[in-house]
Amino acid sequence: SQTIHQWPATLVQPVGSPLSLECTVEGTSNPNLYWYRQAAGRGLQLLFYSVGIGQISSEVPQNLSASRPQDRQFILSSKKLLLSDSGFYLCAWSASVGYTFGSGTRLTVV
Amino acid sequence: DQQVKQNSPSLSVQEGRISILNCDYTNSMFDYFLWYKKYPAEGPTFLISISSIKDKNEDGRFTVFLNKSAKHLSLHIVPSQPGDSAVYFCAASANSGAGSYQLTFGKGTKLSVIP
Repeated sequence: SQTIHQWPATLVQPVGSPLSLECTVEGTSNPNLYWYRQAAGRGLQLLFYSVGIGQISSEVPQNLSASRPQDRQFILSSKKLLLSDSGFYLCAWSASVGYTFGSGTRLTVV
Repeated sequence: DQQVKQNSPSLSVQEGRISILNCDYTNSMFDYFLWYKKYPAEGPTFLISISSIKDKNEDGRFTVFLNKSAKHLSLHIVPSQPGDSAVYFCAASANSGAGSYQLTFGKGTKLSVIP
């Protein structure tokens, strides 16, 4: 069966510090991978998606970036966090229509 | 431009009654619709879906209705239970042709089922 792992569950980081959130998927090959953010009152906002290794599409201009160094690994990064980067970050995978989400990372930038 | 709209941020329903959550969309290319349920500090979980070739799909206490002409779908939960209290997201998908199967989400409706 397929599983998706996302960590850490919570993170408190100072403004200007770097960020690295990791997501891995098991039990499937060549999944589509996604990073979403849920900010207060904003619903689920698609940040990045990837249909293959090294292929990243960005939906929202911001100071975040994503990388897919391996087929089942998706990383969300920032060189310098802003206060506005606080939110609940979700990784998801799909092989067809419909996603399976990870458990999320609550990021608080202070 | 919000392509999937959930105009009610919150809804309160008595236990045992019907909960109706509404969703409207603007993109006529959407051909598949899903509902996700999300508890605090957890990732959303898939609840029920419907293809645009259908107007109703039922799974236990959950039924989704699709009105394509009105670009409107609704989720009915009956009877509502306290454990149904969560945020419900409506999502829609169009065949992007790029193989990504992107979902566009609404902002969510927080359902509170009162015992």
